[in-house]
Amino acid sequence: GENVEQHPSTLSVQEGDSAVIKCTYSDSASNYFPWYKQELGKGPQLIIDIRSNVGEKKDQRIAVTLNKTAKHFSLHITETQPEDSAVYFCAASMDMLTFGGGTRLMVKP
Amino acid sequence: KAGVTQTPRYLIKTRGQQVTLSCSPISGHRSVSWYQQTPGQGLQFLFEYFSETQRNKGNFPGRFSGRQFSNSRSEMNVSTLELGDSALYLCASSYGTSGGAAQETQYFGPGTRLLVL
Repeated sequence: GENVEQHPSTLSVQEGDSAVIKCTYSDSASNYFPWYKQELGKGPQLIIDIRSNVGEKKDQRIAVTLNKTAKHFSLHITETQPEDSAVYFCAASMDMLTFGGGTRLMVKP
Repeated sequence: KAGVTQTPRYLIKTRGQQVTLSCSPISGHRSVSWYQQTPGQGLQFLFEYFSETQRNKGNFPGRFSGRQFSNSRSEMNVSTLELGDSALYLCASSYGTSGGAAQETQYFGPGTRLLVL
């Protein structure tokens, strides 16, 4: 089955800095790669997603890149704000979502 | 539009008991997926229901089961509870396209936190 590894497990940045989270996947058949943000006491919320026919996607301060050959994808958050502090999960999917282990992002004001 | 609702939010059970969790999807969504979240294993897919039929299933024992009603509401049941079943159980709904929930945006509820003593 699919295996998704996510790094780093924790990330601390200063407000205004950029944050990068990286994931690798094992199944070359996976074709959908969403990113979720989970705040304390809440369920995960989709923040951006990318499909295998696209190399990069951007939505305001958030961008995701996908390298199918290397089987890795990354989340980039620019101009981080304290409200970006949360746990972020990457996932890879063909017929079921397989999640990475999560990254706890802390943005210090 | 109201979001995904899950009841109850918290539950304490003892080993050997069974439990039923409920999920009401976003209006108009026909697919409901269930996930288990634990500190050790992370987020893991349990199963997906669409049009009252299980469309996909993760790698969990048969003690975990679910069903979906004609109004798309879903329940999941865990029988013969074990200590390791303590987790946050998340429900997610989506429109339900031909590609399955795993290919579309899923909207998660707040979860039901189950503690097994």
